[in-house]
Amino acid sequence: DAMVIQNPRYQVTQFGKPVTLSCSQTLNHNVMYWYQQKSSQAPKLLFHYYDKDFNNEADTPDNFQSRRPNTSFCFLDIRSPGLGDAAMYLCATSRDFVGEGEQFFGPGTRLTVL
Amino acid sequence: DQQVKQNSPSLSVQEGRISILNCDYTNSMFDYFLWYKKYPAEGPTFLISISSIKDKNEDGRFTVFLNKSAKHLSLHIVPSQPGDSAVYFCAAYSGAGSYQLTFGKGTKLSVIP
Repeated sequence: DAMVIQNPRYQVTQFGKPVTLSCSQTLNHNVMYWYQQKSSQAPKLLFHYYDKDFNNEADTPDNFQSRRPNTSFCFLDIRSPGLGDAAMYLCATSRDFVGEGEQFFGPGTRLTVL
Repeated sequence: DQQVKQNSPSLSVQEGRISILNCDYTNSMFDYFLWYKKYPAEGPTFLISISSIKDKNEDGRFTVFLNKSAKHLSLHIVPSQPGDSAVYFCAAYSGAGSYQLTFGKGTKLSVIP
């Protein structure tokens, strides 16, 4: 089945220790997104790639970076995780920007910062 | 400032009855609305959507109603089943070519057998 895969599902890191979360897709979609979702909050868009074009949301901290080496894979790098970065990180894809139609989500990676 | 609001964090409904989940929005530029369903330890999955040119969309047991003048939409599930127990997110796009999906905080639905 075509899908969005996130690894690992659970990640524990130490305060200030860099961490990388990965996402892959078999849908061959042009757009990949990273969302941060804290407990009982709405998912919040961090950034997205349209093909190789990177777009950062204005309020995304500099601590968060992303890489998309090819169509299938996208990585979220947190350079110096703080306690406030503990959250669920969701990767999503969409075929294009059409202003309608669904985004397809992965199962998420739950990040714990000790 | 939240542009998509789901004011009920939780809702409990008896199996077989109707579940009504509500969503309000403040941005008049929103013109396409979606509902996502999320089970624990899974990502959100698309459930149903509606364009602002419509006031109702139906898919099986699920119906979404849109009241543009009130900036309000609702999701009706009839009849509710225990497998419908999940967190439901309301989300919205603004305009053709938009990429940004704005989510509400979600409503946890519990369907009691």
